[in-house]
This record gives sequence, structure tokens and C-alpha cells, in this order.
Amino acid sequence: DAGITQSPRYKITETGRQVTLMCHQTWSHSYMFWYRQDLGHGLRLIYYSAAADITDKGEVPDGYVVSRSKTENFPLTLESATRSQTSVYFCASSGSRTTNYGYTFGSGTRLTVV
Amino acid sequence: DQQVKQNSPSLSVQEGRISILNCDYTNSMFDYFLWYKKYPAEGPTFLISISSIKDKNEDGRFTVFLNKSAKHLSLHIVPSQPGDSAVYFCAASGTQGAQKLVFGQGTRLTINP
Repeated sequence: DAGITQSPRYKITETGRQVTLMCHQTWSHSYMFWYRQDLGHGLRLIYYSAAADITDKGEVPDGYVVSRSKTENFPLTLESATRSQTSVYFCASSGSRTTNYGYTFGSGTRLTVV
Repeated sequence: DQQVKQNSPSLSVQEGRISILNCDYTNSMFDYFLWYKKYPAEGPTFLISISSIKDKNEDGRFTVFLNKSAKHLSLHIVPSQPGDSAVYFCAASGTQGAQKLVFGQGTRLTINP
């Protein structure tokens, strides 16, 4: 399917477990992003990537790891999940060097850490 | 430190009337502003944007106004329709070429029939 897809849609994990959220886009967009959505905070940037093998921290990177070995994939790993990481996670991509055209977001992954 | 603020968590408007959503920012280096719309269980979708060199941009029923001196932007929806009920996020980015968007907290708009 064309577009940007996130998996899984829902995930429940235990505190201390490692969990990976997947993001795949079919447009060969250069830029990819991970945001988390929390009530009262809106969307906050976790990590972003300008191209394969180029990643950088966003506003709230602690406790997360990313990689981008292929242009189309941008997985987000929680190394040791904590309850504060319970959130809805959105992946996004953009093919433009500027933000004029905005991002295209995936449908999100709702993660619950118990 | 919230650089982009939407101070109204919710707004209720009657169908057919004008909806006005507001957003304030603190960083004077922001030069591009966007609005996104989000339905439940879906990702945000791009709605409309404006460059800092303009003070107004219009697209159908949606108009965004930018007041740089006040560091304030607003989204006007006229006329409001039931399908406009959603959460609206404003976002801002820095110098052209800087891809990162900073989002506000969101405003939940409800259009009443």
C-alpha cells in the first residue's frame, strides 16, 4: 500500500521491556520524524532523520533510540519502557527540504506501559 | 518552555457560524506556520500554512491570519460544518530549510448542529 504506515496500532508492554515501533513510507521521502502526543503537551518531537543514516534528537529524546538504515523505514525503540512513555506515537515523513508542504503523518501507535 | 501555545483546549461553535482558533508563539525566529487537523484514531493532516512574509492565506473555507508583531496567528473557518469537528494543532518552523515543526497543545473544535 502506498503511503506511510505504522505498526502495531496498539501495544501494551510491561515496565522495563524493550519495544520497537515501526514506521514505513513508500514515497522515498528524505525526512522522517517521530512525535508523541500527550494531553496538555500536543505533539512533541522525539527524533528526526534527514536521510538514511542521518538522525538527530528532538525535544524529548531520552529513553528512545532510532535508526535509519533504509530510506523507507524509521523504527523507534524504547530501550526500557517506563510508564511515562505511555502515549500515542506518530511517525511522519516529508519529501521537501522546507516545511512549506507540511508532513504526512501515519495513523499512530497507541502504547501503554503497565 | 512551550514555544507554541494554544490556550483554548476546546471550542464549541454552531453550524454555519465562524470558528476562530488561536495560536501564540514566543520564538521570533519562526518563519513558517501551519495548521493541522486531527480526527480520533487518525494521524494529523495538513490543512493550511502561511509564510512570515504574508499576513493572510486563504483556501476555501479556511483562512489563516498572521500578526507578527503580536506573535499570534489564527485560523478562521467559515462557514463551520459538522465535519470540521476535530482537534486542530498549530505548528511553526524556523528558518527555511529547517524541517522541524514545533506544535501547540491543540484545540478541540466541536460544531453543533
